[in-house]
Amino acid sequence: RKEVEQDPGPFNVPEGATVAFNCTYSNSASQSFFWYRQDCRKEPKLLMSVYSSGNEDGRFTAQLNRASQYISLLIRDSKLSDSATYLCVVSGAGSYQLTFGKGTKLSVIP
Amino acid sequence: ETGVTQSPTHLIKTRGQQVTLRCSSQSGHNTVSWYQQALGQGPQFIFQYYREEENGRGNFPPRFSGLQFPNYSSELNVNALELDDSALYLCASSLGSEKLFFGSGTQLSVL
Repeated sequence: RKEVEQDPGPFNVPEGATVAFNCTYSNSASQSFFWYRQDCRKEPKLLMSVYSSGNEDGRFTAQLNRASQYISLLIRDSKLSDSATYLCVVSGAGSYQLTFGKGTKLSVIP
Repeated sequence: ETGVTQSPTHLIKTRGQQVTLRCSSQSGHNTVSWYQQALGQGPQFIFQYYREEENGRGNFPPRFSGLQFPNYSSELNVNALELDDSALYLCASSLGSEKLFFGSGTQLSVL
């Protein structure tokens, strides 16, 4: 079983749609959780950290369920500029090592 | 701009050759991590250097090695290149285990 698993994708959605990505992780000792965004063959960029209480940043909402070892990302009112690959990432306590999922590709269509 | 620079941006090598990739970390950062990202995959952790010492290693063979210099810049060396080493190599710098800042990567093609 892979350490971090994501929806296979790709997701093709019209502008203005709401889209949700899901992710599960296998290591129950994981302490830190993130969503990264990666544009085609460029470096990953931190989109947001994910907390147990859930957190929101504009159109983006992230949720963490530690009991189910499940992380989600919701994007509301999708924009063309949201087209990218979204990577689910976990790490251990004070850990330097990020474990990435394979990523889910999102294409927002006019 | 993250302040992390990598060179070269692209590189073509043949099987069996050796390659050195370079990374300059963001000012004030003392930790450098290297990741390998094959096409269609997420980045995989290779190793990390903290204050010139290797501080953790992923599941990569010994022919992947590295260095960190007193100015905290870093090199990734790969010996005896194999076709499967073709990937985007990403360097990330941080202050200890805090937030990572990625460079734009080196695209390595092994023919």
